[in-house]
Amino acid sequence: NAGVMQNPRHLVRRRGQEARLRCSPMKGHSHVYWYRQLPEEGLKFMVYLQKENIIDESGMPKERFSAEFPKEGPSILRIQQVVRGDSAAYFCASSAHNGYTQYFGPGTRLTVL
Amino acid sequence: DAKTTQPPSMDCAEGRAANLPCNHSTISGNEYVYWYRQIHSQGPQYIIHGLKNNETNEMASLIITEDRKSSTLILPHATLRDTAVYYCIVRSSSNAGGTSYGKLTFGQGTILTVHP
Repeated sequence: NAGVMQNPRHLVRRRGQEARLRCSPMKGHSHVYWYRQLPEEGLKFMVYLQKENIIDESGMPKERFSAEFPKEGPSILRIQQVVRGDSAAYFCASSAHNGYTQYFGPGTRLTVL
Repeated sequence: DAKTTQPPSMDCAEGRAANLPCNHSTISGNEYVYWYRQIHSQGPQYIIHGLKNNETNEMASLIITEDRKSSTLILPHATLRDTAVYYCIVRSSSNAGGTSYGKLTFGQGTILTVHP
């Protein structure tokens, strides 16, 4: 049973470009969570999505960041006009139900030049 | 969210039991205690969780005090590969958009170093 998949594992962007991070949840999971880990810091919650719905985006920066989880396909975290401060590891997690254990993917490491 | 307090670092000899403490004195009755670990910037790995009773799985044991104000994660026979940051999290129930869900708030964790 494959775990949570994230791609790409490493992403390099220049300032002003767009970054798209993809997350495929574990089989049978329909709840996805995104976290960000800045260098030398802990993981911070960003957003919680169910299929086609954003449930809690209280941790998302107000501008340039968006997330979706369409009916078909992976969840996407999109960062527009990236800045150096966006350089971080982005992890997604999935769960079978909203109160169940979250399982994490390997992360995408974004580097903004 | 109930806050947790963990020692910043601990050492353990390979083959010995590693006992990682966690204080969560403000925990509410319906909040679970979760343990995750993160090995060298990999994705956090779920270890174990519990509510009131002690729990054991193939990775570890979780001992929760009767008043639920503290817990201990036990790795019975630590190996070098257990060197990681261990996070104790009290999973609160958040309500957003009419949906209640378990929210994880990560602290700084305990850096466990297992040495030969």
